[in-house]
Amino acid sequence: DAGVTQSPTHLIKTRGQQVTLRCSPKSGHDTVSWYQQALGQGPQFIFQYYEEEERQRGNFPDRFSGHQFPNYSSELNVNALLLGDSALYLCASSLTGKDTEAFFGQGTRLTVV
Amino acid sequence: ELKVEQNPLFLSMQEGKNYTIYCNYSTTSDRLYWYRQDPGKSLESLFVLLSNGAVKQEGRLMASLDTKARLSTLHITAAVHDLSATYFCAVDRKYFGNEKLTFGTGTRLTIIP
Repeated sequence: DAGVTQSPTHLIKTRGQQVTLRCSPKSGHDTVSWYQQALGQGPQFIFQYYEEEERQRGNFPDRFSGHQFPNYSSELNVNALLLGDSALYLCASSLTGKDTEAFFGQGTRLTVV
Repeated sequence: ELKVEQNPLFLSMQEGKNYTIYCNYSTTSDRLYWYRQDPGKSLESLFVLLSNGAVKQEGRLMASLDTKARLSTLHITAAVHDLSATYFCAVDRKYFGNEKLTFGTGTRLTIIP
């Protein structure tokens, strides 16, 4: 079992650009959540996808959007990048309705210059 | 709104000493997690605490949960340098059966030889 995998591991973007981050959930999991962790802070919930729909959303602007595919993998898109979007982006997968814990991927380090 | 507070934020301690990290949360939760994070890395799950009075131990770390007081503790016994890291607690509240984690601010632990 490969666990939760994220790609890419690192990337650098320029202000105003758009970026797409990808996540493959742990085998058997159907729910993907995205978190943003700024330097020196705890992770903040961005949103969660289940059955290809956004189920919950944290306090993030509409520049942050996502998608879930039929195979449960997910993408996080950020438009019009700001310097403040520089962070570690973490993906977590879980199984809806079951008493299972969330598993985190290794993260994607995004640097906006 | 669920709030999670950790203290202390920074902790510098000598090898061989004991110390406790505290995690307070503001509303009822379904479970509580403790994570370890090394610089630039993702989250490593240490403990999952499900019920009042739960106590779990792994090596020099022991976590407990008091749901009535809305308090969890992470106790470090006879600290060693390898335990230097940032520790987060996270509280899980299920919405429609899906997990949503709210993280504390983290405790940066430095063990001095």
